[in-house]
Amino acid sequence: EAGVAQSPRYKIIEKRQSVAFWCNPISGHATLYWYQQILGQGPKLLIQFQNNGVVDDSQLPKDRFSAERLKGVDSTLKIQPAKLEDSAVYLCASSLDLQETQYFGPGTRLLVL
Amino acid sequence: AQKITQTQPGMFVQEKEAVTLDCTYDTSDQSYGLFWYKQPSSGEMIFLIYQGSYDEQNATEGRYSLNFQKARKSANLVISASQLGDSAMYFCASPGYSSASKIIFGSGTRLSIRP
Repeated sequence: EAGVAQSPRYKIIEKRQSVAFWCNPISGHATLYWYQQILGQGPKLLIQFQNNGVVDDSQLPKDRFSAERLKGVDSTLKIQPAKLEDSAVYLCASSLDLQETQYFGPGTRLLVL
Repeated sequence: AQKITQTQPGMFVQEKEAVTLDCTYDTSDQSYGLFWYKQPSSGEMIFLIYQGSYDEQNATEGRYSLNFQKARKSANLVISASQLGDSAMYFCASPGYSSASKIIFGSGTRLSIRP
C-alpha cells in the first residue's frame, strides 16, 4: 500500500514570495491533516479536512495561508506572501477517519530567506 | 486549555537497556486517546502505539508498550531492549476526541542510544 506522498521535498524562497505544497493521502483515507513543524518543536496542526470539508482550521494564519482538498483526495497548502518565520517542515498526514491513527508523509522543508 | 507534557527533553540510554519516556495529558475529557510517534533524523513521523482511555489493558506492540495510568492521564512509552536504531525524537499526541479538544503534540523527547 502506497504511503502519503508530498512534493516538493525541499523549497527555498525569498520573503514575500508565494509557495505551494501538494499532498496525496493514502487511498481511502477520509481525513487529511496539514502540520507545521518548526525546528525543535512538535508538529502544530494547521488544518484538518474530512473528505473535502474543513473540520478544524483554528490555527491556520488565514491572512497568508490557504488550503484546499479537491474532490476529497489530494490537497494543496499555499503560503502567500511568505515570511521568515514560515521556515519549517510542513507535514501532511491522513487517517481512515477522525481520531484514527495518522500516517505521515515525508514532509516539505521550507526555507524562507 | 488542553496540553500534553513530555518532561524529558533528552535521554541517553545504553544499548539493550529498557527506557521509559513520559507523557501526561492535561484534559477535562474523560474519554481520550494518546498516540506515540517516532521521528528519526530523516524527518518522517512513524506511528508506534496507541492507548485509549477505556482500554482494559496496557497497549503493546513488539518492543513498545505503554504504562497507562488512567487517574493521572499518563501513557508512558516503554521501549525494551533498546537498539541503536531507536535513536530519534519521540512525540506523544492526542487525536482530539471532542469539538472542544484539539489535535495536539507534545514537545518531544530526544532519545540517544549509546553502543
